[in-house]
Amino acid sequence: DAGVIQSPRHEVTEMGQEVTLRCKPISGHNSLFWYRQTMMRGLELLIYFNNNVPIDDSGMPEDRFSAKMPNASFSTLKIQPSEPRDSAVYFCASSFGPSGGYNEQFFGPGTRLTVL
Amino acid sequence: GENVEQHPSTLSVQEGDSAVIKCTYSDSASNYFPWYKQELGKGPQLIIDIRSNVGEKKDQRIAVTLNKTAKHFSLHITETQPEDSAVYFCAASNAGGTSYGKLTFGQGTILTVHP
Repeated sequence: DAGVIQSPRHEVTEMGQEVTLRCKPISGHNSLFWYRQTMMRGLELLIYFNNNVPIDDSGMPEDRFSAKMPNASFSTLKIQPSEPRDSAVYFCASSFGPSGGYNEQFFGPGTRLTVL
Repeated sequence: GENVEQHPSTLSVQEGDSAVIKCTYSDSASNYFPWYKQELGKGPQLIIDIRSNVGEKKDQRIAVTLNKTAKHFSLHITETQPEDSAVYFCAASNAGGTSYGKLTFGQGTILTVHP
């Protein structure tokens, strides 16, 4: 398996523009997690899905952020409009197992977002 | 919710020395404690984990200890090598609840091993 795939790897955009980050989880995994990593705040969980259903989006910082998982093999994280403080590395991770299990999360390589 | 504190934020050792990273957690319901290693430009990767019914676990040069009473757990790396240089994250989870594997991460420790 190729592992978790994220695109793009790097994104530079201007303030006010819409940004869409994409994630393909490992085939067969049933949980998907979106994280944001910054020097100041570390690794923050934004939202996670189980069997394509959003379970907890309490980490989503503002209404400007939204995430979808239309099927088991694809998820998007959208920021509209983007702001300079959204600059960070965004990771997607997936895992397999029963709900609440001791399941390893496999992380993608991340998308480095820079908002000018 | 769960809060995980990790110390130190940076750690510098000589090759061959041992390194210890410590974490504390707040939620007594947490029962799963993984450690992740993040190399430059990559996503975090699981290196070892421990469940609350175990006090210690070893895997070659790395070991993790857990003190449930004190709510703290530690990562021990012996005979460090330059390739151990990375950022290490501890995490906690209430596996078996309704968390679907949700992890709360510590702030990370930048480990530098000098040749």
